Amino acid sequence: EDQVTQSPEALRLQEGESSSLNCSYTVSGLRGLFWYRQDPGKGPEFLFTLYSAGEEKEKERLKATLTKKESFLHITAPKPEDSATYLCAVQASGGATNKLIFGTGTLLAVQP
Amino acid sequence: NAGVTQTPKFQVLKTGQSMTLQCAQDMNHNSMYWYRQDPGMGLRLIYYSASEGTTDKGEVPNGYNVSRLNKREFSLRLESAAPSQTSVYFCASRGGPSNEKLFFGSGTQLSVL
Repeated sequence: EDQVTQSPEALRLQEGESSSLNCSYTVSGLRGLFWYRQDPGKGPEFLFTLYSAGEEKEKERLKATLTKKESFLHITAPKPEDSATYLCAVQASGGATNKLIFGTGTLLAVQP
Repeated sequence: NAGVTQTPKFQVLKTGQSMTLQCAQDMNHNSMYWYRQDPGMGLRLIYYSASEGTTDKGEVPNGYNVSRLNKREFSLRLESAAPSQTSVYFCASRGGPSNEKLFFGSGTQLSVL
């Protein structure tokens, strides 16, 4: 069964304290892995798509990497405005092309 | 550019009541989706519409119906609401040059008493 597991569930950092969020996945064939950011009371907002092991993408203080079993979202020198829930999702190549499987998210709090 | 617009933002229903959640997108996207988000669970797909005139069941379709009214609008109907349908509902769309991305609305918080 296709599955996505994110860890930790919650993470509290001091401003400037770098860390990583993990997304482990089990899928029959990976079509794409997606990272989204969700602020309280809002819908998820797209961050990155990764397609193959070894691929990396960056945006400001965020860097996403992908292996055959997991993805990491690295946050370098975070600021309070980076506080949000970060969601990971995978799209399987064998299933319906419109179906994404979401993890439960990591709630990140960055304290000044 | 409004993106994906959902109404209402909040709704309280009594068990057995019916209601329709409205969703519209102005990005000329072909695909539209309805998800629900519950604490401790990931976003789960209720129904989707790959193109105007087509709809398909997602992971948790029971108790819901959908209508793809035209290319812009995709509504979700609860015919007889149950407490288990208390959730936050998100509409999303995908298509165009950024076909890989889902664009989400701001959500509807629904409580069924």
